[in-house]
Amino acid sequence: NAGVTQTPKFQVLKTGQSMTLQCAQDMNHEYMSWYRQDPGMGLRLIHYSVGAGITDQGEVPNGYNVSRSTTEDFPLRLLSAAPSQTSVYFCASSYKRESADTQYFGPGTRLTVL
Amino acid sequence: AQSVTQPDIHITVSEGASLELRCNYSYGATPYLFWYVQSPGQGLQLLLKYFSGDTLVQGIKGFEAEFKRSQSSFNLRKPSVHWSDAAEYFCAVVRMDSSYKLIFGSGTRLLVRP
Repeated sequence: NAGVTQTPKFQVLKTGQSMTLQCAQDMNHEYMSWYRQDPGMGLRLIHYSVGAGITDQGEVPNGYNVSRSTTEDFPLRLLSAAPSQTSVYFCASSYKRESADTQYFGPGTRLTVL
Repeated sequence: AQSVTQPDIHITVSEGASLELRCNYSYGATPYLFWYVQSPGQGLQLLLKYFSGDTLVQGIKGFEAEFKRSQSSFNLRKPSVHWSDAAEYFCAVVRMDSSYKLIFGSGTRLLVRP
């Protein structure tokens, strides 16, 4: 198993550009989520999904869209990037929502918005 | 609202010395508590978790944590630190609503002196 994979590892965008951060898992996990990590703030939940076709907002959803068309993939879209979205983004998955305790994290995507 | 506080931003210990990282939580019911470790440039790895039962929890890499309800604490300990333990450590609690999201503390960065 590859676990949770994220691409790209690094990305630089200009303000107003759009992009999609990719996340995939090969463990047949129902629950997937996106976090952003900022210095001194720990990780904050952006969006999550409890299964294919079902998504919901987390703490900091503004400026981000998600979709879950398959169990394996959970892409995060930035429609119009802003400097405030400069952060490290982590995707995570777990077998079920109710076992969100045992989340497996991807290696992260470091995004810089100029 | 649930919250997690890690009062120490940085801690420096000598290799071979004992370690205690502090974590306090705010939660109405019995919490589900976790410690994660993040090595530089890596994603998060679960060290240990507490749901119920024995208040002293053993984890990977020789770490343990003790749940103290009276103090609302879940401190992480290790009797003898190795240089490879240098990393950032996050305490977290699961929010028991429809999201089952992890609420993270702001993290404690551990530096190990040779």
